[in-house]
Amino acid sequence: EDQVTQSPEALRLQEGESSSLNCSYTVSGLRGLFWYRQDPGKGPEFLFTLYSAGEEKEKERLKATLTKKESFLHITAPKPEDSATYLCAVSAGGTSYGKLTFGQGTILTVHP
Amino acid sequence: NAGVTQTPKFQVLKTGQSMTLQCAQDMNHEYMSWYRQDPGMGLRLIHYSVGAGITDQGEVPNGYNVSRSTTEDFPLRLLSAAPSQTSVYFCASQTRGYTEAFFGQGTRLTVV
Repeated sequence: EDQVTQSPEALRLQEGESSSLNCSYTVSGLRGLFWYRQDPGKGPEFLFTLYSAGEEKEKERLKATLTKKESFLHITAPKPEDSATYLCAVSAGGTSYGKLTFGQGTILTVHP
Repeated sequence: NAGVTQTPKFQVLKTGQSMTLQCAQDMNHEYMSWYRQDPGMGLRLIHYSVGAGITDQGEVPNGYNVSRSTTEDFPLRLLSAAPSQTSVYFCASQTRGYTEAFFGQGTRLTVV
């Protein structure tokens, strides 16, 4: 059974204080790892896809990296508008359909 | 483009009532899915479809029914609502393969 565990559950940062969110996964044949951002009362918003170990993607203050067992979402000099829940999901092999298995998310709060 | 559109945004049902949550996408995506999101549980897959006329069960299918007569629409039916179905429901669509999912804004359902 595919499993995704995110840590920490909640993270509070001061504006400008860089940190990382972790996503550990156990799957049989990783096909893709996805990061989403979710604001209160909204649907998840796609951020990044990573397909193979060593791959990195960047967008503004966010950088996602991938190893064979985990992914990190690095946040550099965060701003209050980066406050949100960050979700990690994996898609595994075995079927032709990319079903997503999600972690529980990390609630990020950035204080001014 | 509207993307993925869900209706209604909020709904209150009495135990035993039935209803249909609507989902439509205008991106010509083959894959569509329904997830529920509960506190501490992450997003869990209810049902999915890999094309018109083809549906299958996800992780938590009991009490729900789906059909897909067109590429654009994927309604979710609650046959006899129970308090355990109180949740936030998200519809998503994807292109073929192991790709990112695009989510609607969600339907917050309360069963009393």
